[in-house]
Amino acid sequence: AQTVTQSQPEMSVQEAETVTLSCTYDTSENNYYLFWYKQPPSRQMILVIRQEAYKQQNATENRFSVNFQKAAKSFSLKISDSQLGDTAMYFCAFMKPFLDKLIFGTGTLLAVQP
Amino acid sequence: DTEVTQTPKHLVMGMTNKKSLKCEQHMGHRAMYWYKQKAKKPPELMFVYSYEKLSINESVPSRFSPECPNSSLLNLHLHALQPEDSALYLCASSQSRDRGSYEQYFGPGTRLTVT
Repeated sequence: AQTVTQSQPEMSVQEAETVTLSCTYDTSENNYYLFWYKQPPSRQMILVIRQEAYKQQNATENRFSVNFQKAAKSFSLKISDSQLGDTAMYFCAFMKPFLDKLIFGTGTLLAVQP
Repeated sequence: DTEVTQTPKHLVMGMTNKKSLKCEQHMGHRAMYWYKQKAKKPPELMFVYSYEKLSINESVPSRFSPECPNSSLLNLHLHALQPEDSALYLCASSQSRDRGSYEQYFGPGTRLTVT
């Protein structure tokens, strides 16, 4: 069975600085998808970034980028130039193709301080 | 437009009431999902509909009854709930897997309180 681990329950960063959130996962699959979702205090779950395991290039979306290390089964999220609006719970998630089931980590609560 | 809408935003119901949660998407997605989320926890999958057919039921108690009237609508019928069922109920949708798209888009949720 697949598992997703987020070892940092809470993190804090100053506005405009860079922060990295960790995620590791366990799977015997070779093809899969990884996601980072953000859930602000409003509780709407928002997709931040996705990564296909067969792609070696790390995904990037504006200030958000990932460091995908397939052999190490690591999928960290880097947020550059942190903004107050980045304050949220961040969930890492894993999905096997054709199974329609997201496996979430326990989340990291990120606070961006002014 | 990646919008999934849910109604109502908030719902308070007694243990003997019957109520329904509604979810709608107009993105042409063919898979729709119900999740339950407790405070400070990740969402827990309850049901998945793929092409309007129930494809996953995560051993959810029968007091929760899903329905997919068409490809844009998803309902969750609630009956005889328990106080521990109080939670945020999230709906999500995704394009069909055969289009190689797996990301799920979530609605804002319905906050349910069972008294």
